[in-house]
Amino acid sequence: DTGVSQDPRHKITKRGQNVTFRCDPISEHNRLYWYRQTLGQGPEFLTYFQNEAQLEKSRLLSNRFSAERPKGSFSTLEIQRTEQGDSAMYLCASSLVQSYGYTFGSGTRLTVV
Amino acid sequence: AQSVTQLDSQVPVFEEAPVELRCNYSSSVSVYLFWYVQYPNQGLQLLLKYLSGSTLVKSINGFEAEFNKSQTSFHLRKPSVHISDTAEYFCAVSARREGGFKTIFGAGTRLFVKA
Repeated sequence: DTGVSQDPRHKITKRGQNVTFRCDPISEHNRLYWYRQTLGQGPEFLTYFQNEAQLEKSRLLSNRFSAERPKGSFSTLEIQRTEQGDSAMYLCASSLVQSYGYTFGSGTRLTVV
Repeated sequence: AQSVTQLDSQVPVFEEAPVELRCNYSSSVSVYLFWYVQYPNQGLQLLLKYLSGSTLVKSINGFEAEFNKSQTSFHLRKPSVHISDTAEYFCAVSARREGGFKTIFGAGTRLFVKA
């Protein structure tokens, strides 16, 4: 198993464009999480899936953000009409059960210019 | 709701000196506690965790943390640090409950080990 994979590693986009990130979790992990990390801060929770069901969304996740996990495997996070404030590292993590802790991917760094 | 406070944003220390990174949490329910480490340009890695039982937990690279319920703390310690321990360390808490949950992270403590 190669761990949690995120693609792309870096994304530079113009304000107002849409972007989509992909996360491939560890195959047997049924839980998948998206976090956002800005410089000098800890990761902030965005949303979480158990299998294909999205069970919780943060208030940080405005209506410009949408996440899917269509078959309970990989997940996508889409940001529509990007703003400069969306610039951050977007982290994906997966776990089997909550007490095991998370396995994080290396993240996608988004820069909105 | 849970919250985590890491009391020091940066901790400079000389190599081979002891270090303590402080973490306090608040929660109305029982929790699991974690420390994660993030090296430059990498994702977070789980360092150690407290689930239940012995309040002192240890990692494979010499770090340890002690759960103190009365003080709602989970401080991370190492008796002798190495240059390679330079990284950002995040304390995290998640509620012990079934169904949906999320892990809340502190703002991080940057450990800088000097030669």
